[in-house]
Amino acid sequence: SQQGEEDPQALSIQEGENATMNCSYKTSINNLQWYRQNSGRGLVHLILIRSNEREKHSGRLRVTLDTSKKSSSLLITASRAADTASYFCATQTGGGGGADGLTFGKGTHLIIQP
Amino acid sequence: DVKVTQSSRYLVKRTGEKVFLECVQDMDHENMFWYRQDPGLGLRLIYFSYDVKMKEKGDIPEGYSVSREKKERFSLILESASTNQTSMYLCASRSHDSLYGYTFGSGTRLTVV
Repeated sequence: SQQGEEDPQALSIQEGENATMNCSYKTSINNLQWYRQNSGRGLVHLILIRSNEREKHSGRLRVTLDTSKKSSSLLITASRAADTASYFCATQTGGGGGADGLTFGKGTHLIIQP
Repeated sequence: DVKVTQSSRYLVKRTGEKVFLECVQDMDHENMFWYRQDPGLGLRLIYFSYDVKMKEKGDIPEGYSVSREKKERFSLILESASTNQTSMYLCASRSHDSLYGYTFGSGTRLTVV
């Protein structure tokens, strides 16, 4: 079942601009994660934000989480051509030592124009 | 550098064949996962395993089985391949500590003809 839904589906911006992607989900979560996928490759983990956190930074990435609205945003500042990729949000409902699969959205395809 | 290795990048199989997709991780992770990725559908969980010889069905297990005889290896088996199983298959692993994300393999693009 689809949990996260990213918005927009596609985004094209100029190099140097900021890119913002949004994610909405339906049920209570333990944490929310963002991943990047370069064309035809596996996914790379970018950042994890727990349900009791509101904002997290990692380098040029800034993630916010609003559990009351069941939404998250990923901001990439000062974009570079190498940031061109698909970005996915994924939610985890379980926690602790239990294994439960992440539920992914369909992704936002980001294109950075040089 | 820690990694998840999928044995094949590209695979072409015939309808009805039994297909094995292999995944090996070197991070001593307890949990391993198989996803398939299709255009317009995103990633969908097929099976996962939280320990050796343990397995759990994901969202779309029909037509698939899995094997986890050793901690580092998680195999996905297509018992009788069909054309609707043409897809990108992604293996992932993670430790029990949920503070860290998943590590994915590079994917296997399977075509069933």
